[in-house]
Amino acid sequence: DADVTQTPRNRITKTGKRIMLECSQTKGHDRMYWYRQDPGLGLRLIYYSFDVKDINKGEISDGYSVSRQAQAKFSLSLESAIPNQTALYFCATSDWRDSFNEQFFGPGTRLTVL
Amino acid sequence: AQTVTQSQPEMSVQEAETVTLSCTYDTSESDYYLFWYKQPPSRQMILVIRQEAYKQQNATENRFSVNFQKAAKSFSLKISDSQLGDAAMYFCAYRYQGGSEKLVFGKGTKLTVNP
Repeated sequence: DADVTQTPRNRITKTGKRIMLECSQTKGHDRMYWYRQDPGLGLRLIYYSFDVKDINKGEISDGYSVSRQAQAKFSLSLESAIPNQTALYFCATSDWRDSFNEQFFGPGTRLTVL
Repeated sequence: AQTVTQSQPEMSVQEAETVTLSCTYDTSESDYYLFWYKQPPSRQMILVIRQEAYKQQNATENRFSVNFQKAAKSFSLKISDSQLGDAAMYFCAYRYQGGSEKLVFGKGTKLTVNP
């Protein structure tokens, strides 16, 4: 089984709908991240969490919210989806004990907002 | 703000040949880490190689190696004996020590491997 899983893998929704993307990990890592990838661009950070009680905004957090339900679960919500939120979304995890803070990525969720 | 630039949107290489992908970055930090990630059509982000800025020795991982020039803020990736499975998007990424520990990514280079 994959260490970092994301559900759903693909989602099509309509403008104005609320949608939640879920991320779970079995790596035992404390740090979790949500990134967004747009065509022709690299990944950009939306939110990050260093533990259950620590949640921080990234560079493009407007229009998004997150919930860290447990050490292993980190969800991203779009309260009212809009077309320019159409993108590929990645969850990542890392271990504070790793000096590299290597980030391990989930398989991504492709979201289309019509 | 830190930025990462990959000046080659696309590159191609013949199977078994060598190719070098370029990456430059801008930072005022002295302690940081650099990474190359591969994204095949499956869209999974896969770490290829990583480098600590305080180490002068260039990192190598099998057919993959880097040329790290700290003063020039350059971090190129060399792929030797290219294989069809190397075809993918390659992203250079930077992380500084502290703060969000976030990765700052370049826009990527699409590598095609010709048989």
